[in-house]
Amino acid sequence: AQTVTQSQPEMSVQEAETVTLSCTYDTSENNYYLFWYKQPPSRQMILVIRQEAYKQQNATENRFSVNFQKAAKSFSLKISDSQLGDTAMYFCAFMNPQGGSEKLVFGKGTKLTVNP
Amino acid sequence: GAVVSQHPSWVICKSGTSVKIECRSLDFQATTMFWYRQFPKQSLMLMATSNEGSKATYEQGVEKDKFLINHASLTLSTLTVTSAHPEDSSFYICSARPLYSGNTIYFGEGSWLTVV
Repeated sequence: AQTVTQSQPEMSVQEAETVTLSCTYDTSENNYYLFWYKQPPSRQMILVIRQEAYKQQNATENRFSVNFQKAAKSFSLKISDSQLGDTAMYFCAFMNPQGGSEKLVFGKGTKLTVNP
Repeated sequence: GAVVSQHPSWVICKSGTSVKIECRSLDFQATTMFWYRQFPKQSLMLMATSNEGSKATYEQGVEKDKFLINHASLTLSTLTVTSAHPEDSSFYICSARPLYSGNTIYFGEGSWLTVV
């Protein structure tokens, strides 16, 4: 079974600075998807960024980028120019689409606080 | 696009009664929807995978007779908590995979259930 590990329960960063959230996963599959979701205090789960394992290029979405290291099974999220609105829980998630199951396996989350 | 709506957002029910939570994909069709439960300060726990027109697939440890899931159309899945007890109080979130999404999953706003 796949597992996702987020080793940082909480992190904080000053506004406008850069922060990196860690995520590692365990799988024997070769084709899969990785995601970062943000859950602000409203509890709405918001997709931040996704990465297809077959793509070597790291995904980027404006201030958000990932460092995908397939061999190391690592998928970290970098937030540049942090904003107060980035304060939220961040969940790393894994999906193995093989066999028709697209369920997400989540890590335990990292609580990020952006300080003014 | 890709909006998933849950209703109700908040519900309080008496112990022993049943309560239904709806999950709708507003602007896309979803053959697969997922139901999660989230305890305070914890990650999302997958309860079941709901497939349109067929029986739901429940995760290990989830009582299928207590958490009834119906996926009657390509845009609607419902979760019914039967004979609710205070320990069923929780935050319930649904998600949906668009028919042609490239494996991106979108989440509803979640529903708070309080059983008194």
